[in-house]
Amino acid sequence: DAKTTQPNSMESNEEEPVHLPCNHSTISGTDYIHWYRQLPSQGPEYVIHGLTSNVNNRMASLAIAEDRKSSTLILHRATLRDAAVYYCILRDVSGSARQLTFGSGTQLTVLP
Amino acid sequence: SQTIHQWPATLVQPVGSPLSLECTVEGTSNPNLYWYRQAAGRGLQLLFYSVGIGQISSEVPQNLSASRPQDRQFILSSKKLLLSDSGFYLCAWGRGIGTEAFFGQGTRLTVV
Repeated sequence: DAKTTQPNSMESNEEEPVHLPCNHSTISGTDYIHWYRQLPSQGPEYVIHGLTSNVNNRMASLAIAEDRKSSTLILHRATLRDAAVYYCILRDVSGSARQLTFGSGTQLTVLP
Repeated sequence: SQTIHQWPATLVQPVGSPLSLECTVEGTSNPNLYWYRQAAGRGLQLLFYSVGIGQISSEVPQNLSASRPQDRQFILSSKKLLLSDSGFYLCAWGRGIGTEAFFGQGTRLTVV
């Protein structure tokens, strides 16, 4: 499986934008970039995914580099409820079901 | 709409006792199903995945087993629990490769 690299932790001030980076230099052409987040004592929650173009939904935006070797999850206005571990993972559209492997993620702390 | 149910929410079991955790999915058919474990302060470790009834793949050798007796039912079991089996167990389902996955609320298992 292609691997991802994320910073262990990041801090943000409440109501400010947050840019969470992810490197995936060995990404293949059939890999989707997925983001999940996990709040304390809960299961992970799907945030957003994309293949080549930037994506927006009600939770966040996903900016994908032109060479697809990195991506950035953008929270436009961080709230205290956004404090969580954010996981960037790759899912191979042509692979098997096992392609849902999580790394260590980024612990986001939101400061009031 | 699709929902995933996982129970119990918490469980305290003595060493050497058996384990059975159940996960069911509603509102979809032939889902891919996953079992994960998360040790305290650690990332998500994929334990088992299944692409259909009776089809189980194990990602890591361990004291646990999984079964899928029905299309939307996934069971995690152990004949004799070890202290190292303590952790947060999560069930997840996905429609297929490349798409998002949805997680249950998890079972916090403490082996004493």
